[in-house]
Amino acid sequence: AQSVTQPDIHITVSEGASLELRCNYSYGATPYLFWYVQSPGQGLQLLLKYFSGDTLVQGIKGFEAEFKRSQSSFNLRKPSVHWSDAAEYFCAVGFTGGGNKLTFGTGTQLKVEL
Amino acid sequence: NAGVTQTPKFQVLKTGQSMTLQCAQDMNHNSMYWYRQDPGMGLRLIYYSASEGTTDKGEVPNGYNVSRLNKREFSLRLESAAPSQTSVYFCASTQYQETQYFGPGTRLLVL
Repeated sequence: AQSVTQPDIHITVSEGASLELRCNYSYGATPYLFWYVQSPGQGLQLLLKYFSGDTLVQGIKGFEAEFKRSQSSFNLRKPSVHWSDAAEYFCAVGFTGGGNKLTFGTGTQLKVEL
Repeated sequence: NAGVTQTPKFQVLKTGQSMTLQCAQDMNHNSMYWYRQDPGMGLRLIYYSASEGTTDKGEVPNGYNVSRLNKREFSLRLESAAPSQTSVYFCASTQYQETQYFGPGTRLLVL
């Protein structure tokens, strides 16, 4: 069965520091990948997505992610974190022929220290 | 353009009561989904509808039923609510292999 792993449940960084959130997946087929962000009490907002082409994708709010097929990873990065980035982040994976379904990771809660 | 809307926003039920969660999208998307979100478990797919007239079970369908009323609307029904169904429910929609757009969620407490 397909699975998505976000190994870090909680991460705390200082404002201005760099950030990397990890995401690993296990799929047999070529995946398409997403990162979503959820602020408290809110729905999920898309940060960025990868379908094909350039493996480094840019998203909103200064986020980027890199697809590494050899490592089955799609890690999210930001060079300088802002206090407003504090939220929960979800990685999601689908694949062609999968009926448009996504499998979500369990999320990483980001705390930003001022 | 409202995107994906869900009603109600909050609901408290007693064990055994029934209710229907409503979802509508105005983006002309073919596919719609119902997820539940529980702490530490991410989002788990309950049911989905790949296109109007079709519905399929997801990862956690037990205790739920769905209806794809038309292309815009996809409802989730709890026939006999249980405390284990206390959760936040999200509806989402998409075109083929594109981004899923999420509603604001329904917070359900079953006592």
